[in-house]
Amino acid sequence: QVQLVQSGAEVKKPGASVKVSCKASGYTFTSYGISWVRQAPGQGLEWMGWISAYNGNTNYAQKLQGRVTMTTDTSTSTAYMELRSLRSDDTAVYYCAREIMGGYIDYWGQGTLVTVSS
Amino acid sequence: EIVLTQSPATLSLSPGERATLSCRASQSVSSYLAWYQQKPGQAPRLLIYDASNRATGIPARFSGSGSGTDFTLTISSLEPEDFAVYYCQQRSNWPTFGPGTKVDIK
Repeated sequence: QVQLVQSGAEVKKPGASVKVSCKASGYTFTSYGISWVRQAPGQGLEWMGWISAYNGNTNYAQKLQGRVTMTTDTSTSTAYMELRSLRSDDTAVYYCAREIMGGYIDYWGQGTLVTVSS
Repeated sequence: EIVLTQSPATLSLSPGERATLSCRASQSVSSYLAWYQQKPGQAPRLLIYDASNRATGIPARFSGSGSGTDFTLTISSLEPEDFAVYYCQQRSNWPTFGPGTKVDIK
C-alpha cells in the first residue's frame, strides 16, 4: 500500500533552517509528483510547492520563493523540503503528499511539526 | 491567486441528518475542485475530485456538485465518523484551499 513516512518533529531558532524528509513506498516513485502542504496550529492548509519525482522540476509558492528548496533522491524514493531563514510564523505541521491529476492529493504523510521559537 | 470561501464556518447537525457545505471561488475554476476531510491530529483525506468524482473508497453518501465558481459537498446522512473539518481546494491555478467548514455534533 502507498505510504509516505516523514521525519520527526523539529525545534528551531529564528533564522535557522530545517530539512524534512519524506520516504515513499508502495508505488513507483518517479511516476508521481510530491507536493508539500503546511498547516499552522489551528489554521487551514497552505500549498507550499511541488516537485516532479521524474525529472526534479519544481514550482514554489511565490511567498516562499528564495527560502524553500524541494529535492528528491530517486535511489531511496525520498523527497526533501528545506526551509531557510525560519520565522515564528513558519511554525506548522508540514505534510508531504502524492500529487495526482495536476494538482490534487491522494496520499499524505503523517506530518512533521516544526516549531520555531527563540 | 484564486481565493476560496467556504460557508458556513461551522455546521451543527445530528447523526442521520443531511449536511450541505458550500465553496465559492473568486474566479472560475471550471470543475477543478476537490474536497478533503480532516479529523483532529490526522492528515486530510481526499473525498471528491473534479467537483463530482468520488475518490477511491469514499462512501456513496458523499457527493459533490457545481462548476465555475459555486460548489457543494453533500453528505446525505451523517455517520458518527463524518464529524470533522472539510476543506475545498482548487487546481485551476496555483492550488489553494478554502478556510474549512467544521461539522460538529449538535
